[in-house]
Amino acid sequence: QKEVEQDPGPLSVPEGAIVSLNCTYSNSAFQYFMWYRQYSRKGPELLMYTYSSGNKEDGRFTAQVDKSSKYISLFIRDSQPSDSATYLCAIKDTGNQFYFGTGTSLTVIP
Amino acid sequence: DAGITQSPRHKVTETGTPVTLRCHQTENHRYMYWYRQDPGHGLRLIHYSYGVKDTDKGEVSDGYSVSRSKTEDFLLTLESATSSQTSVYFCAISVGGAVNGHEQYFGPGTRLTVT
Repeated sequence: QKEVEQDPGPLSVPEGAIVSLNCTYSNSAFQYFMWYRQYSRKGPELLMYTYSSGNKEDGRFTAQVDKSSKYISLFIRDSQPSDSATYLCAIKDTGNQFYFGTGTSLTVIP
Repeated sequence: DAGITQSPRHKVTETGTPVTLRCHQTENHRYMYWYRQDPGHGLRLIHYSYGVKDTDKGEVSDGYSVSRSKTEDFLLTLESATSSQTSVYFCAISVGGAVNGHEQYFGPGTRLTVT
């Protein structure tokens, strides 16, 4: 079983829509949860990170962690064409290793 | 931008050839990582380093070695390149150390093709 699973999509939405991106993870001991955005032919860039359960908001982006169901989500409000990218979830274990989902490709149509 | 550069950015090499990729950082972060990214697999950890001359294996370390003789440089070597090592390689640093180092920043990547 992989440490983190992510629906690869692709996901296509109209501009202004609310986008929901999701991952599940296997180890209940994980505590740090991250979301990265990766544009084509670029390196991943850190969008947000959360610690333990709960929500964290940054502008149009909200990260949510539900440790009871081992489920993490990223919501994008008022989506823009510039949000078109691949979104990667990631989890850090208690040591030094990070585990990444395979990424969800998002296209926002003007 | 966490001051991470990778070289070369693109490389085509032949099977059986040794290849070294370089990652350079300008901010003296202790932790550095090498990943490969492939369709359907996402980012997979090859090796990481937690200080000068201190390295450890990741999920897909077979066929790869690393060295870190200076804080700012982390080298990844493919001893004898194979076609299965055709991939995009990313270097990363984490900020904050082992326990709190949950912010990871990536370089621009190296596209390696083994023919």
